[in-house]
Amino acid sequence: AQSVTQLDSQVPVFEEAPVELRCNYSSSVSVYLFWYVQYPNQGLQLLLKYLSGSTLVKGINGFEAEFNKSQTSFHLRKPSVHISDTAEYFCAVSEGEKLVFGKGTKLTVNP
Amino acid sequence: EAGVVQSPRYKIIEKKQPVAFWCNPISGHNTLYWYRQNLGQGPELLIRYENEEAVDDSQLPKDRFSAERLKGVDSTLKIQPAELGDSAVYLCASSLEGLEAFFGQGTRLTVV
Repeated sequence: AQSVTQLDSQVPVFEEAPVELRCNYSSSVSVYLFWYVQYPNQGLQLLLKYLSGSTLVKGINGFEAEFNKSQTSFHLRKPSVHISDTAEYFCAVSEGEKLVFGKGTKLTVNP
Repeated sequence: EAGVVQSPRYKIIEKKQPVAFWCNPISGHNTLYWYRQNLGQGPELLIRYENEEAVDDSQLPKDRFSAERLKGVDSTLKIQPAELGDSAVYLCASSLEGLEAFFGQGTRLTVV
């Protein structure tokens, strides 16, 4: 069974600073990878996905992620964060037709 | 295009009472999921439907949970009787061909 590890449960940063949220997954076989964002009292919104092709994936709101097969990682990055990026971020890997999620990383952007 | 619609948004019930959640997926999406998200955790799959057929219900506690998806569109998830440990956010999602899941806003259940 697949598993996803999000290495940081909380990440505080200052506005306009760069940020990286780390994600590692368990399987070395071909997988689909996703990052979702969850704002307070909201459902999950897809930020970006890796299905195949280029290992650098660009998503919404200026986020990007890099797929690294040898390190089984899919880290999320943004070069300059805004207050509005404060939310919880979930990494997920496909297992058949379902998603297996990590425990989430709470990103707090401070002024 | 409307997204995944769930109701109610919030529900507070006493333990041992029944409760039901409703989900209307995105039009044309054949796959429907119910996930449960406990506080401080990521969502975990309860059940997945392909059209009206439940194809993965291995994580559904069948002694108290039930679900249905009539005519392959709307779905209802029921808990009877509810326990304190059922307090969580219940998320419905849908997808086309299973590649990208779109989530509803969820139902936050509090069992007291």
